[in-house]
Amino acid sequence: EVQLVESGGVVVQPGGSLRLSCAASGFTFDDYTMHWVRQAPGKGLEWVSLISWDGGSTYYADSVKGRFTISRDNSKNSLYLQMNSLRTEDTALYYCAKDLPTTAWGQGTLVTVSS
Amino acid sequence: EIVMTQSPATLSVSPGERATLSCRASQSVSSNLAWYQQKPGQAPRLLIYGASTRATGIPARFSGSGSGTEFTLTISSLQSEDFAVYYCQQYNNWPPTWTFGQGTKVEIK
Repeated sequence: EVQLVESGGVVVQPGGSLRLSCAASGFTFDDYTMHWVRQAPGKGLEWVSLISWDGGSTYYADSVKGRFTISRDNSKNSLYLQMNSLRTEDTALYYCAKDLPTTAWGQGTLVTVSS
Repeated sequence: EIVMTQSPATLSVSPGERATLSCRASQSVSSNLAWYQQKPGQAPRLLIYGASTRATGIPARFSGSGSGTEFTLTISSLQSEDFAVYYCQQYNNWPPTWTFGQGTKVEIK
């Protein structure tokens, strides 16, 4: 069974930093592009970033470019999101997701940016 | 940047009735279109990919159609468990970035 388990979400002050992790199991992790998607409270889904199977290509939404960095460790079946210069508008539930068409999503980890 | 627009924002339907949800892309996405269902407190669940292919385990009452810029998700006979928010999503071939519509809430009439 495919499983994705996010962790690392906490309450952080504006301007702070945070690193999210996603532990993957049940599939060949290094075969797949992986994504981060977020959902602000009561709002819709917003794609954040992707990383290719080997980590060689990364892409970001304009809203996080220059502040967030996606990475992966295929030896640990893990995906990461380093979040710097956090803003109140970054408050959201952050999901990691396996690429389409056989996509799978975790249950998310909540990041709250507040003073 | 491709913008995905869903309509209506809210759809009120009685159980057993048909529901038709629309999604429009600001430029052609070919058939690179997926539909998700999301219930409160849950992660999104993939229903349809490739505009019309049902994901594993998805009931036949869910069907998708369209290509280019106009897409439709049809639920042929709404069951109680189908009341939820539905999102369309486009995915490029490369880079495989994603863009979501703003969602359609299907509620009980």
